[in-house]
Formats: sequence, structure tokens, C-alpha cells
Amino acid sequence: GGIITQTPKFLIGQEGQKLTLKCQQNFNHDTMYWYRQDSGKGLRLIYYSITENDLQKGDLSEGYDASREKKSSFSLTVTSAQKNEMAVFLCASSITYAEQFFGPGTRLTVL
Amino acid sequence: GEQVEQRPPHLSVREGDSAVITCTYTDPNSYYFFWYKQEPGASLQLLMKVFSSTEINEGQGFTVLLNKKDTRLSLNLTAAHPGDSAAYFCAARSGGSNAKLTFGKGTKLSVKS
Repeated sequence: GGIITQTPKFLIGQEGQKLTLKCQQNFNHDTMYWYRQDSGKGLRLIYYSITENDLQKGDLSEGYDASREKKSSFSLTVTSAQKNEMAVFLCASSITYAEQFFGPGTRLTVL
Repeated sequence: GEQVEQRPPHLSVREGDSAVITCTYTDPNSYYFFWYKQEPGASLQLLMKVFSSTEINEGQGFTVLLNKKDTRLSLNLTAAHPGDSAAYFCAARSGGSNAKLTFGKGTKLSVKS
């Protein structure tokens, strides 16, 4: 088994601020993902990465940057926080083409 | 690309009743399907995975049926209990080299005792 860790658990930022969310996994999975989930809604894919230093845009990549520094870690940066970005950001990982395992999430609040 | 429609968005049943959630997908080449459960305030937990070669999977208190002809996937909770109250999401993976999953928008299930 393994675990996905997301830091921080809660993130409070100011409108216009650059904010970074981090994700670590010890499954030794190749592929990692960042999703955004708005309250009571489904998941929207922001970025994913199928190997170290790879980046693929999802459906919601505008306003975000991502970085796959090494196989076990995947960071997401909100380039300029907006009030309508209050949401939970979920990180996931998988053996490529298999089921995804999800982290506990980072809850973002923008003041 | 693949699209997944999930119904109903909200479902309320009494304890002991059955509950059925259905997803229809558009890509007939999709070959790998998943059901996730998300309890309030928690992350997504894998409930069941279904390959195209498997039509029925049974878990603890639920059945998953894949109908390839109708491109439909369903989750049937046979005797719901309050602990089943959660959001449920289906997901599909298309054929080819696509590492992404396409998720349904979710069903919020409420089981009343």
C-alpha cells in the first residue's frame, strides 16, 4: 500500500496572490494528477504528468502552473488567486492507465 | 473526447431500500470503468473497478453492471444503510494512450433511517 500527502490541508490567501499546493506519493506511481472540486460539484482536471518533468494540460489549466519535480512529487501553483477559486484541490496518482488514488485534499479560501 | 453523463444528481432513499446510480458514456472504445465514493468532507475512495470483459462485479452490499451495448454503467446498492450516505462518482477511461479519466458529475445519496 501507499499514501498520498497533500500540504497544506487548508490554505488561505489574498486575491491576486500566488499560491502553491504540494503533493507527495509513495506508491511509486508514474502518473500524477491535480483536480479542482467546487462545493457539491464534480472533478475538473487541471494538470497531469505521466513521468518526471512531464506536464499535460487538463480542461482547467488556465490560471495554474504545475511542476513535477520528481517521480514522487507534483506541485500546483495558482498564479493569481481569485475569489471564485474557493474550492478543494485534489491530487491523485496512478500506474498509468489504471485506477487513480486520491489524496485528502487542500481546501483553498481566498479573502 | 469521452463524455460521461451520471444520473440522478441527488437520490434519497430509506434504510433497507435499493439505490441505483447510472452512467452513460459516449466512447464505445472505453474499456476501464471506476466507481468512487466520497463521504462528506473526505476525499475519493475507490469502490470498484470494472473491465470491459467483466459485466457484473459484486462488492460488499453493492453490484456494478456494465452494459457495453448500451454504453451504460450502473451501481446498485442492494440494501442501503445510513453509512452509504455519500457522493458517488463514476469514471471512464477511453482506449488508446490517454492517461486521463472522464468523471461523471456525481450523485449525492442520502439514506434515511
